[in-house]
Amino acid sequence: AQSVTQLDSHVSVSEGTPVLLRCNYSSSYSPSLFWYVQHPNKGLQLLLKYTSAATLVKGINGFEAEFKKSETSFHLTKPSAHMSDAAEYFCVVTRNSGGYQKVTFGIGTKLQVIP
Amino acid sequence: EAQVTQNPRYLITVTGKKLTVTCSQNMNHEYMSWYRQDPGLGLRQIYYSMNVEVTDKGDVPEGYKVSRKEKRNFPLILESPSPNQTSLYFCASSGQGLSYNEQFFGPGTRLTVL
Repeated sequence: AQSVTQLDSHVSVSEGTPVLLRCNYSSSYSPSLFWYVQHPNKGLQLLLKYTSAATLVKGINGFEAEFKKSETSFHLTKPSAHMSDAAEYFCVVTRNSGGYQKVTFGIGTKLQVIP
Repeated sequence: EAQVTQNPRYLITVTGKKLTVTCSQNMNHEYMSWYRQDPGLGLRQIYYSMNVEVTDKGDVPEGYKVSRKEKRNFPLILESPSPNQTSLYFCASSGQGLSYNEQFFGPGTRLTVL
């Protein structure tokens, strides 16, 4: 079984301040982890992915995430928020085993950026 | 341009009237999937397909059917829609090895069942 918990449904930051979006996962297997972003009335876009290589993963638009197995966490960070970062962010865990593929999304975190 | 297309983008229908939402990808991807997005619930997987003629249930398959007769197309069928199927639907595709390849998402279909 696998699950994803996004610890905050809403996060509000001021423009220029750091962003932290928290994600914890549970998986019986070695997981692959992703962060996707959804801007208002848009589809989903991949921000970054962890696939058992480097534990610190860099993505687009200055975002990065660190895989911590001991804490079962994959938190998303950005040093300085920009107005264009206002969106909903989804943490995703996948398992690919013997042709069976299971994808589980977190419930999402809405990021508000205050000017 | 590499893309996933969905049609229609918006649909209002009535209870019990069969409908199909089409999904097509031009990237020669093996894996395709349907999700529904509801407020406070994130995206939940309805059905997925590993390749032509190979489909399996996701987390919320009740009330839905799918088929994969061609690699590029993966339609979602609601035989008898009900109001609890009012939602935003996304189709996605990816190449082999989902765990390593990103999913490409369609623009979404907003369905209202009255």
